[in-house]
Amino acid sequence: EPEVTQTPSHQVTQMGQEVILRCVPISNHLYFYWYRQILGQKVEFLVSFYNNEISEKSEIFDDQFSVERPDGSNFTLKIRSTKLEDSAMYFCASSEGTGRSEAFFGQGTRLTVV
Amino acid sequence: AQSVTQLGSHVSVSEGALVLLRCNYSSSVPPYLFWYVQYPNQGLQLLLKYTSAATLVKGINGFEAEFKKSETSFHLTKPSAHMSDAAEYFCAVREVYNQGGKLIFGQGTELSVKP
Repeated sequence: EPEVTQTPSHQVTQMGQEVILRCVPISNHLYFYWYRQILGQKVEFLVSFYNNEISEKSEIFDDQFSVERPDGSNFTLKIRSTKLEDSAMYFCASSEGTGRSEAFFGQGTRLTVV
Repeated sequence: AQSVTQLGSHVSVSEGALVLLRCNYSSSVPPYLFWYVQYPNQGLQLLLKYTSAATLVKGINGFEAEFKKSETSFHLTKPSAHMSDAAEYFCAVREVYNQGGKLIFGQGTELSVKP
């Protein structure tokens, strides 16, 4: 069964460092997303991406964040200068469409900023 | 703005008992509604979704949910809980007119199943 894969599963970084979280969405999907879940809190939307551009982003997704689909298969989330409060589980998701289409989620990357 | 409320951050039931997890949404236009399950150290897996075809929706693992427009609710039920149902459950909505497809999640409900 096709699945969304994320690497690494866990990343520890020092405050102020740049991190790149990687995702391989399901191959025929057209919409890509990043969500995050701070420990003990709900899953929050960060950004949606379609047709090689951001279609929507949340207030959380400020200038420190960027997304890219560099090669037609990978979908990356970059955090330019990490803060302690960026520590969270980051989930990538993809879907064939919007509306009633199911979003398929990866296993997540646990980011710990120290 | 659209919001999703899940009543009860923790629900505990005995094995074999009814499971009822509550979800209410806020919009006046009924959105698309989803229930996801998250097992420890895993991603989110779709249990079921409401897409306006039928108000009672059946999902995987014996779960079902009923959409009630008058109550703006989409509660998740399972007649008989199994130990393997212990997990975190998230209700999510996608607004009908949203072009980007984002999901808005509730706070989650952790289900414990006692033997």
